[in-house]
Parts: sequence; C-alpha cells; structure tokens
Amino acid sequence: EAGVTQSPTHLIKTRGQQATLRCSPISGHTSVYWYQQALGLGLQFLLWYDEGEERNRGNFPPRFSGRQFPNYSSELNVNALELEDSALYLCASSLDPGRVTDTQYFGPGTRLTVL
Amino acid sequence: AQKVTQAQTEISVVEKEDVTLDCVYETRDTTYYLFWYKQPPSGELVFLIRRNSFDEQNEISGRYSWNFQKSTSSFNFTITASQVVDSAVYFCALTPGSNYQLIWGAGTKLIIKP
Repeated sequence: EAGVTQSPTHLIKTRGQQATLRCSPISGHTSVYWYQQALGLGLQFLLWYDEGEERNRGNFPPRFSGRQFPNYSSELNVNALELEDSALYLCASSLDPGRVTDTQYFGPGTRLTVL
Repeated sequence: AQKVTQAQTEISVVEKEDVTLDCVYETRDTTYYLFWYKQPPSGELVFLIRRNSFDEQNEISGRYSWNFQKSTSSFNFTITASQVVDSAVYFCALTPGSNYQLIWGAGTKLIIKP
C-alpha cells in the first residue's frame, strides 16, 4: 500500500512569490494535516482538512492557505513568501480522527527555501 | 495549557547501551492520545507507537519499550541494546481529545556511536 506522497521534494522561491505544495494521502484516508518544521521552531501544526473542509488551523497568518480536493488530496499555498517561511513542510493523513485508534502517517516532506 | 516537554536535546551513547528518552506532557483534557515518532536524516516522520489516556499498560516491541505513567504525566521511551540505525531525532507528541492536531515536543536527537 502506498504511503503519503508529497511533491515537489524541494522548492526554491524568492521573497514575495507564491509556493504551492501538494499531498496525496494514503488510500482510504479522508483527513489531511499540514505541519511546518522550521529550524529552531520545531514542528508546528498548520492546517487540518477532512472531507473537503478546513477543520482547524494553527497560529499562522492567512497567507498560509490550502484546500482538499474530492479525491482527498490536498494543496498548501503560501503567498507573499518571507525568508522565515523556509522550512520542511510535512503532510500527514489519517483514516478517521474520531476513532480511538486513529494515527497520523507522514509523507517525506517538501523542503521550501525562500531566497 | 497543552504542552509536551522533551528535556533532553541530544543523547549520545555507544552501541549496545540502553537509552531512555523522556517525555512529559500537560493537558487539561481527560481523554488524550500520546505518540512517539522517529525522524531519520531523510526527514520523514515514522510512527512508532500510540497510547490512549485510558490505557496505562506499558508496551514492548522488540528492543523498544514505552512506560506510560499518568501520575507523573510521563511517557518515556527506552531502546534496549541500541544500534547505529537507531540514530535519529525522536519526537513525543500529544493529541488532546478536544481536537485532532498533534502537539509536539522539541525532539531528542539520539546518536548511537559504533
């Protein structure tokens, strides 16, 4: 069974540009989560999508946005890029957040570098 | 407050030694879930274990074991007879029952020397 996939692996942008990151969940999983892992800041929750709807977002400005498509894949968009947006962006998927046994499984990440 | 503390920033041991990674959590929820993930140099987070707040049984999986103690709000991870391949950053995380986001500890970098 294929795991969570993310594209691209690496992305280099300049300040002010927009970045689009993509994530495909494990087959059958309907929830997708985005996390940012920036140097010195650790792992921080960004967004959670379930059944096409945004369910929760972390403490990030509105220029971080995303969506979930009918096939449950997801896109993270970062507008007006700033140098501090440079980080590893990790996507995770889970089967059913309401279940006691639910677990988030992670993709390999997209490393975004803002110059 | 909802918080996970991994006080050990980095641990270095020689292969075959036992090593324990500490994790202390804070939550106001009575139902919550605790996790350990491993992040090797490749960057991908690998799920190791999940423990529910109502299940205080300790768990052993091969060389790995976990000790969950609600009385001290701790969920420690022990690797027995460590191997070089165990070298990675290990994260402890908490999901409160009131939402489904993972709240992460800062991670412990484990270095196993041959």
